[in-house]
This record gives sequence, structure tokens and C-alpha cells, in this order.
Amino acid sequence: IAGITQAPTSQILAAGRRMTLRCTQDMRHNAMYWYRQDLGLGLRLIHYSNTAGTTGKGEVPDGYSVSRANTDDFPLTLASAVPSQTSVYFCASSDIYRGPYTGELFFGEGSRLTVL
Amino acid sequence: GNSVTQMEGPVTLSEEAFLTINCTYTATGYPSLFWYVQYPGEGLQLLLKATKADDKGSNKGFEATYRKETTSFHLEKGSVQVSDSAVYFCALSMDSNYQLIWGAGTKLIIKP
Repeated sequence: IAGITQAPTSQILAAGRRMTLRCTQDMRHNAMYWYRQDLGLGLRLIHYSNTAGTTGKGEVPDGYSVSRANTDDFPLTLASAVPSQTSVYFCASSDIYRGPYTGELFFGEGSRLTVL
Repeated sequence: GNSVTQMEGPVTLSEEAFLTINCTYTATGYPSLFWYVQYPGEGLQLLLKATKADDKGSNKGFEATYRKETTSFHLEKGSVQVSDSAVYFCALSMDSNYQLIWGAGTKLIIKP
């Protein structure tokens, strides 16, 4: 049972470089999310997608972009990385249209990104 | 706006001690409330939830009661184990937007 798969697990990146974090789910969930986790700040939503073909901005979207070409994949791109984007990034999914909303998110294991 | 406030950590306890992690919220309307747990090196997973006032969520020996009068959802466990060491997140959702609002997380350390 895979659930949500994120790649890479860890990456060190030079400032100014472009980086794409990959996220794939096999649960056929309609909604997907990208969060960043920083010490003392908890989880902050970067972007989300409630269904394939649509995306929305979260709390901290600047410097990041996403796409949702199909149900399973939700990549997060940093067009020109900066040191303040050093963080742990989590992809998550949830099933928001089949039955009552439960609030249960399923998370990947995270991608640790260091921008130097 | 809507928000969640958790007690700051880390919280350090001895094995078999009683645990309380405080969580209070601010919300317009009637949110659902959640506790998620993050074990070291892993993503978050749902621990328990409550969808209306006076509901009690429970799982793995943990409990939390939705208290509308005090806008609280404190997490409790009667006897903690070393394996409970993790970061615990309180969160709320308003069904209208399918998104969770998160507390900052509380790190729990249980010593043998």
C-alpha cells in the first residue's frame, strides 16, 4: 500500500536553481495539498487542488507553483530557490467529495529541502 | 479569522505519567476539531477527531472532548509510553472550504 509517495526524500540546492518536488497518490483522492513545516510555525499551506485541473493558493504561495494535470500527481515547483525556502515539504491528499467531509488528510513522508 | 493555539513544547514526561496537551481555538461557526500525530521521520497521521460540541474523540488510549463553552479540545492520555514520543498537532476545519487550520505543534518526549 503506497498511499502518497514524495520525491526526492532530501535535496541540497544552490540558490537560484529550479527545483520540482514530486508527489503521487494512489488513493484516487480528489484533493491534494502542499505544506511546508518549519520549527515553531507548524504546517503552512502553500497550494492546494480540490480536483484535477484546478489549483488554489494557500497561506504562503509566493515563490512556488503547482499543476494538477491528473488525479494522481501534484508537483510543486520552486522556479528560483532562495534560502528562506529551506524547509520540510509535505504533500497530502483527502477525499472531499465522496460522502461527508471527514477532515482526514493522508500525508507523504516529506521532502527535506536545503537551499544554500 | 479562524485559528488554533496549542501549548508550547517540548513536554517531557516519565513513562506511565498522565498527559494533557492543551488546545484552544477561535472560529466563526461550528468547526470540526482534530488531533494529528507526527512520529519521528514520518508524515502526519490522524489520531482522533470530533465534529460537534460535547463529542469525544478517542484512539490508541488518547482522548479529547470538544468543549464549545471553553473553545477547547485538549488531548489527554492516562498513561503514556515511550512510543508516544512524537509531535502532536491540533487542527480545525470548516466544512465550507475543505482545508485545515493548524496549531504550531507540541513535541512530546517520554522518558523511560
